[in-house]
Amino acid sequence: EPEVTQTPSHQVTQMGQEVILRCVPISNHLYFYWYRQILGQKVEFLVSFYNNEISEKSEIFDDQFSVERPDGSNFTLKIRSTKLEDSAMYFCASSPPSGRTTDTQYFGPGTRLTVL
Amino acid sequence: SQQGEEDPQALSIQEGENATMNCSYKTSINNLQWYRQNSGRGLVHLILIRSNEREKHSGRLRVTLDTSKKSSSLLITASRAADTASYFCATDAKGGAQKLVFGQGTRLTINP
Repeated sequence: EPEVTQTPSHQVTQMGQEVILRCVPISNHLYFYWYRQILGQKVEFLVSFYNNEISEKSEIFDDQFSVERPDGSNFTLKIRSTKLEDSAMYFCASSPPSGRTTDTQYFGPGTRLTVL
Repeated sequence: SQQGEEDPQALSIQEGENATMNCSYKTSINNLQWYRQNSGRGLVHLILIRSNEREKHSGRLRVTLDTSKKSSSLLITASRAADTASYFCATDAKGGAQKLVFGQGTRLTINP
C-alpha cells in the first residue's frame, strides 16, 4: 500500500540554523500538508499546499517557514532560522483528488526536530 | 475556539473489553476523522465519517457522529494489547478549509 515517507527521521540542529524537512507524498495525491506536534501537545496544522501554491496557513507558519514542491515527487518544509521552540515532531500528509473539500489525509511517520 | 476535544484523556481497560472514546467539537464540519498514534510514531488513519453519516464500521471499530450534539464516539470492540496507543479525532471546518484540527487525544492502555 502506498505510504507518505519523510526524511530524515530525526534532525538535530543548532539554534539559528536552517533545516529542510523532506516528504514524498503518495504519488497520485494533489493536496499536501505540514503539521507539527510539540512533545505532549496536540497536532497543529501549519500549511496546506495545492496546485503549486499555499492554500492555507496557520499563525504558526510565519516568515521563517516556507514550503516547496521542487519536483514531481518531493514536498519540503524549510525553517530558515530555527528557534528552540521549533523543536517538535513534524508530520507531512497528503490527500487524494477526490473532488471533495477535504478527504482522508494520510500522514507520514514524522521527522523529529531537535533544536539545541 | 477549540475543536476536537476528546474524553477521557486516559483510559485503561483489560484485554478483551470494549473501549469507548468521545470527541466533541464546536463548529460545523465536513468530516470527522479518527487517527491512532503509537508512542512517538506517526499518525495512522483509522476511519473518516462524513457530516451526513451517522455511523460507520471498520473491522473492530465503530464510529458514530451526532452533528446536532457536535460529538463523535469511537468504539473499539474486543480490545487487544496492540490497540494500546493515543487516539485523536480531527475535524475540518465547513466552508472549504482543508486543515484538520486535532484534539488532545485519549491515551488508551490495554492491560493483558
